[in-house]
Amino acid sequence: GAGVSQSPRYKVAKRGQDVALRCDPISGHVSLFWYQQALGQGPEFLTYFQNEAQLDKSGLPSDRFFAERPEGSVSTLKIQRTQQEDSAVYLCASSPTRWYGYTFGSGTRLTVV
Amino acid sequence: QQQVKQSPQSLIVQKGGISIINCAYENTAFDYFPWYQQFPGKGPALLIAIRPDVSEKKEGRFTISFNKSAKQFSLHIMDSQPGDSATYFCAAGGGGSQGNLIFGKGTKLSVKP
Repeated sequence: GAGVSQSPRYKVAKRGQDVALRCDPISGHVSLFWYQQALGQGPEFLTYFQNEAQLDKSGLPSDRFFAERPEGSVSTLKIQRTQQEDSAVYLCASSPTRWYGYTFGSGTRLTVV
Repeated sequence: QQQVKQSPQSLIVQKGGISIINCAYENTAFDYFPWYQQFPGKGPALLIAIRPDVSEKKEGRFTISFNKSAKQFSLHIMDSQPGDSATYFCAAGGGGSQGNLIFGKGTKLSVKP
């Protein structure tokens, strides 16, 4: 596709449930980023991949958050034992290089009830 | 040190007027300053960006002014249009990061016809 694709677009999870959010980056893009955007706030960095290597995971808020990109293309962000404070929009972005000007997807809105 | 402070939180401008949004940063190692535009339900889209070696960059109706000594930068939208109504985020990158950006909290712009 022409852009970054994220699925599902919306996810409602019961507190304590595990969720998996998928990101399909633009074909051939080396770099992939995950951000978390709380309501009315700016995006906050979670983690960064260069191909399949996770080079920075300093933004992951707890060990309940885990991200992978095993073949250097599709990435999955997994949240275990979801909590209400995890409710946010999760944005994925990709870039052809390490350059900052990357393209964001439309995000997955996660609501934990 | 890693914060980017953005103001105002919201802005109402008449059609044809000039919209001005300001940001300030603290980390002098930042070397990339983009502005993103976000519509409801969409991911942020890169609007314009500047490096600290220039004081101004213009692309169409959008201009970034950059003051390195004051550690401030601003977005000017000339001849504002109702279609410009969106949330705008400033961001900063660099300082040894792998490509992740630090975002401001956003400015909700409404352009009245």
